[in-house]
Amino acid sequence: AQSVTQPDIHITVSEGASLELRCNYSYGATPYLFWYVQSPGQGLQLLLKYFSGDTLVQGIKGFEAEFKRSQSSFNLRKPSVHWSDAAEYFCAVGTSGTYKYIFGTGTRLKVLA
Amino acid sequence: EPEVTQTPSHQVTQMGQEVILRCVPISNHLYFYWYRQILGQKVEFLVSFYNNEISEKSEIFDDQFSVERPDGSNFTLKIRSTKLEDSAMYFCASSEDWDKNIQYFGAGTRLSVL
Repeated sequence: AQSVTQPDIHITVSEGASLELRCNYSYGATPYLFWYVQSPGQGLQLLLKYFSGDTLVQGIKGFEAEFKRSQSSFNLRKPSVHWSDAAEYFCAVGTSGTYKYIFGTGTRLKVLA
Repeated sequence: EPEVTQTPSHQVTQMGQEVILRCVPISNHLYFYWYRQILGQKVEFLVSFYNNEISEKSEIFDDQFSVERPDGSNFTLKIRSTKLEDSAMYFCASSEDWDKNIQYFGAGTRLSVL
């Protein structure tokens, strides 16, 4: 069955520290991969996407993610976290031939001053 | 920047009542979606809609749910007879095309069924 796993429910980092949020997927077809961020009271904002080509993709707000087919992973990274990055982060998978996204359970990021 | 707008932000209803959740997708988008997120659980796909008909739906989207595009701008989700377990955050999304299918989401409507 198709699935997306975000192993970390909560992550706490200090401001200025680096960040990596994990995402693993199980999908038979070639996946389209997305990271969304949800701040309190806000919608799901698209951070970045991967369809094909270069496996390292750049997104907004200084985020990047790397697609590793051999590990079925699409981890999100940021070299230096800002307090405003505190939010919930969702990994999602789509594929050609279907309209739906499958989401992970989300990782809630807390940033310490 | 264009955005998906959802109203109301919070809806409280009694069990058994009908509710309509409203969404205004991005204006040049052609594909529309509803997802829901029960508190503490994953965001789950409900339905996609294109060219005035449902293109895909999940097993959650049973006969008590319906979707409609009543005019050129609104996209609605109706729940005919709400149950306690329908309490969730409902997200509307839209996309410009189907192939790469980059979906843009609204802020959500929190539905509380009492």
